[in-house]
Amino acid sequence: KQEVTQIPAALSVPEGENLVLNCSFTDSAIYNLQWFRQDPGKGLTSLLLIQSSQREQTSGRLNASLDKSSGRSTLYIAASQPGDSATYLCAASSNAGNNRKLIWGLGTSLAVNP
Amino acid sequence: EAQVTQNPRYLITVTGKKLTVTCSQNMNHEYMSWYRQDPGLGLRQIYYSMNVEVTDKGDVPEGYKVSRKEKRNFPLILESPSPNQTSLYFCASSPTLGESYNSPLHFGNGTRLTVT
Repeated sequence: KQEVTQIPAALSVPEGENLVLNCSFTDSAIYNLQWFRQDPGKGLTSLLLIQSSQREQTSGRLNASLDKSSGRSTLYIAASQPGDSATYLCAASSNAGNNRKLIWGLGTSLAVNP
Repeated sequence: EAQVTQNPRYLITVTGKKLTVTCSQNMNHEYMSWYRQDPGLGLRQIYYSMNVEVTDKGDVPEGYKVSRKEKRNFPLILESPSPNQTSLYFCASSPTLGESYNSPLHFGNGTRLTVT
């Protein structure tokens, strides 16, 4: 049974720091690994999706890596800004036929202080 | 603007009073899904739909119903709500396997439901 864990649960950093959020999963047979951002009172926004055949994806100041063999993904945020404050969730997509079966981590709550 | 729209955003109701949370997407997506989010438990899938008239249970379907009569709409129905269904609910959509299984999910802004 796939389990997804995110460490740390909360993180507070000063503005400008580079930081890494961690996501680990127990079953390496994943279709893809997705990172989402959740702001209070709003839905989830997709940040990056890494297919199982890929090693990393980049979007602006965000870089996500995937190491299936070790069951780990990291989200790297460069030059953090107060606007990056949010909860970051990772989700592993398993091979469950037609269903977009996503197993979710509990998230890392990030606070970037001015 | 491409979006998933849920209504209402907030809902307070009493035990046993039937309610419907609506979800509509304007992206012509085949796949739609409902999740609930609870502290310490994360996001859990309630029901999903691969296309019109095709629905199936997720991980926590008890106490919920869905329908998919039109491609754009996927309402979540609570026939007899109970306090343990107090939660934050999200609707999501994406293109299905035929277009791109590796397309990200698009989420609505959520519905916070309180059942007293």
